Amino acid sequence: NAGVTQTPKFQVLKTGQSMTLQCAQDMNHNSMYWYRQDPGMGLRLIYYSASEGTTDKGEVPNGYNVSRLNKREFSLRLESAAPSQTSVYFCASSALTYNEQFFGPGTRLTVL
Amino acid sequence: SQQGEEDPQALSIQEGENATMNCSYKTSINNLQWYRQNSGRGLVHLILIRSNEREKHSGRLRVTLDTSKKSSSLLITASRAADTASYFCATDAAGGKLIFGQGTELSVKP
Repeated sequence: NAGVTQTPKFQVLKTGQSMTLQCAQDMNHNSMYWYRQDPGMGLRLIYYSASEGTTDKGEVPNGYNVSRLNKREFSLRLESAAPSQTSVYFCASSALTYNEQFFGPGTRLTVL
Repeated sequence: SQQGEEDPQALSIQEGENATMNCSYKTSINNLQWYRQNSGRGLVHLILIRSNEREKHSGRLRVTLDTSKKSSSLLITASRAADTASYFCATDAAGGKLIFGQGTELSVKP
């Protein structure tokens, strides 16, 4: 039981490049989330998917897109990376939206 | 804006002492959760307390919730060096989204 997995673990991009962060969970959870964490700050919700087939914006969605590919997978795409998107990105899942969330190990992204 | 705010931002104690962290929030909630984050790792869920509960225990953890004051506290008893981490409270917003506070950095010295 791997829980929540994220790829890649580290990534360096140049301004304007695009990339997709992958997330998968094997706990048959309905809800999935993408957060970013910046130094000295808590987690801020980028997008979430309450159930397969639905996605909604969180607190900081600008510059990002998401796809809930199936029940297991939820990807986050940066179309044109900016230095302000340098951050640690966490994916999480939960059985239902009000339940405890399980987090992946994070992706450390640097945009030069 | 952040729904939950932790206090203090940083706490340094000796092994064996108790650590208390507080969380205040602004709007009505269904539940409040506490998470731990070790350096460089993802968050780990510690405990969930529902709005109709006043106190909850899990091992060395004790969480209280005062909905009239919109506040919660996390007490870690007999702390260990391994408890060194950041601790976050999270409250549920509309739609079931969690809103995290900025966290309390706990350092437990051997």
